[in-house]
Amino acid sequence: NAGVTQTPKFQVLKTGQSMTLQCAQDMNHNSMYWYRQDPGMGLRLIYYSASEGTTDKGEVPNGYNVSRLNKREFSLRLESAAPSQTSVYFCASSGVKSELAVYEQYFGPGTRLTVT
Amino acid sequence: AQTVTQSQPEMSVQEAETVTLSCTYDTSESNYYLFWYKQPPSRQMILVIRQEAYKQQNATENRFSVNFQKAAKSFSLKISDSQLGDTAMYFCAFMNLYGGSYNQGGKLIFGQGTELSVKP
Repeated sequence: NAGVTQTPKFQVLKTGQSMTLQCAQDMNHNSMYWYRQDPGMGLRLIYYSASEGTTDKGEVPNGYNVSRLNKREFSLRLESAAPSQTSVYFCASSGVKSELAVYEQYFGPGTRLTVT
Repeated sequence: AQTVTQSQPEMSVQEAETVTLSCTYDTSESNYYLFWYKQPPSRQMILVIRQEAYKQQNATENRFSVNFQKAAKSFSLKISDSQLGDTAMYFCAFMNLYGGSYNQGGKLIFGQGTELSVKP
């Protein structure tokens, strides 16, 4: 059981380049999320998808786009990378822990992105 | 808008001792979850403990327990018998539920984190 997987693990971009971060989950979760983590600021929500076919902006959406490709996959795209987007990016998925009927959020291993 | 505040950027504790990490939050919602996540140097986010707002009993998971004060909007984490492997960044998080319902999930809002060092 892989849980939440992200690719790539590391990436270096030049200012103005574009790239897509990939995320997949195998837990049949309805909701998926993209966060960024910067020093001293915790994790901040970029975009989320509450269910397949829907996406919504989070706290810091500017400069990003997302696609919920299917129930398993949720990608994050940087169209024109800027140095301010240097960060660690986490994908997460959320679903009910059936035996307890409570929601938990599970995280991927993260992508360290540097924009020069 | 909901906010989560962790006022202790760094803390240290001797191995085998007890430490408490503080967290306060602000919300007008009555239904929500609260979580503590641990992030070791590997940067993997690991769920430590969860509390549903409607439950009066404080959650416990082995050496980890919380003190949930709903009226005061406080959610502290106590780590007993601290171990070297507890060294990590700890994040408090508030789950803003979709539609205010416990059975639909929600969005997480994180505090700034507390870096905990356990010393031998």
